[in-house]
Amino acid sequence: NAGVTQTPKFQVLKTGQSMTLQCAQDMNHNSMYWYRQDPGMGLRLIYYSASEGTTDKGEVPNGYNVSRLNKREFSLRLESAAPSQTSVYFCASSGGIVNQPQHFGDGTRLSIL
Amino acid sequence: KNQVEQSPQSLIILEGKNCTLQCNYTVSPFSNLRWYKQDTGRGPVSLTIMTFSENTKSNGRYTATLDADTKQSSLHITASQLSDSASYICVVLTGGSYIPTFGRGTSLIVHP
Repeated sequence: NAGVTQTPKFQVLKTGQSMTLQCAQDMNHNSMYWYRQDPGMGLRLIYYSASEGTTDKGEVPNGYNVSRLNKREFSLRLESAAPSQTSVYFCASSGGIVNQPQHFGDGTRLSIL
Repeated sequence: KNQVEQSPQSLIILEGKNCTLQCNYTVSPFSNLRWYKQDTGRGPVSLTIMTFSENTKSNGRYTATLDADTKQSSLHITASQLSDSASYICVVLTGGSYIPTFGRGTSLIVHP
């Protein structure tokens, strides 16, 4: 049982380049999330999808777009990467959005030069 | 502004000892409070979730308490093991919002 799978695990980009982070879950969860984790700070929610077909902004959505491709997959796109987007990105999923635990992937470590 | 403060920032204990981590929050209205364990280089793993009406919840050697009146929570680890070395993160969800507020975590190191 893989749980939440993120690809790639590591990536280095140049400023202005674009890329898409992929996330897939095999737990038949309704809700999916994208977070970023920066040194000395708590995780911050970028975007979330409460259910298939819906997406909403989180705390720090600027510079990002998301797509809930189907129930299993939720991708995060950086259209024009900036050094301030250097971070570790985590995808998570949960059965429901309020009182269900979130299951996290192991992260994508992204560096933007 | 909603805030979650955790203390201590870091803690070193000997294997077999107990320890307690603290979480104070100013989030309002309160929905639920969660504790996660995050190993180095891995994603967080859920330990407990507590709603307003729950005072305590256990998960093996981990016991979380919640005092909604004082807006404080604690995570007690009993008989620590080397594998307990990790960051422990407190997260509070606001009623009516799906955006959680994460604490910065307490880094626990368990020495043999």
